[in-house]
Amino acid sequence: DAGITQSPRHKVTETGTPVTLRCHQTENHRYMYWYRQDPGHGLRLIHYSYGVKDTDKGEVSDGYSVSRSKTEDFLLTLESATSSQTSVYFCATSSGGGTGGFYEQYFGPGTRLTVT
Amino acid sequence: AQSVSQHNHHVILSEAASLELGCNYSYGGTVNLFWYVQYPGQHLQLLLKYFSGDPLVKGIKGFEAEFIKSKFSFNLRKPSVQWSDTAEYFCAVGSGGYQKVTFGIGTKLQVIP
Repeated sequence: DAGITQSPRHKVTETGTPVTLRCHQTENHRYMYWYRQDPGHGLRLIHYSYGVKDTDKGEVSDGYSVSRSKTEDFLLTLESATSSQTSVYFCATSSGGGTGGFYEQYFGPGTRLTVT
Repeated sequence: AQSVSQHNHHVILSEAASLELGCNYSYGGTVNLFWYVQYPGQHLQLLLKYFSGDPLVKGIKGFEAEFIKSKFSFNLRKPSVQWSDTAEYFCAVGSGGYQKVTFGIGTKLQVIP
């Protein structure tokens, strides 16, 4: 398995508080992603990064921000948590080789976030 | 924008039964196709992938998938399922830049011993 860790693994927080989730990789992969997984919706992309300080929005980015100051770390911040953000959050990485084609994504263990 | 449809959301099979999970995508250009599996309580991991070449792709644990370009389909198959195949299966399509993929909503497979 790729060396991807997420912290915290579980968190309960109150509505309106900011929350930061951390993804750490040891694979030196260029691409990193944050997804949320909800029943009936599968995985939806929140934000992604294609290099240090290079990030962009995914399909469900409202209420979330990200930062990537080092290759190995990708932070997801819920600026003011709402109950609709209760979900399981997965980080993923991909090496994205230079010869084209798609490379598989490696997933972290997930963070279960509950907003009360 | 690309999209992925998985037809069966919940499948229940007995051990040794054959499995076929449907996946259709909508995208007019070159695509890369994946099936991921998520065992209970675990993270997603790759089952198999198709980039080019032989449209019949073999993956881990006896799974295979066939890419049919004319039908925009990438169905997952296994001749004989085991109880340990109980999991959620996600079809995914990659295209465009930044190695982004779009996932289907998943199919939960329950295998009864």
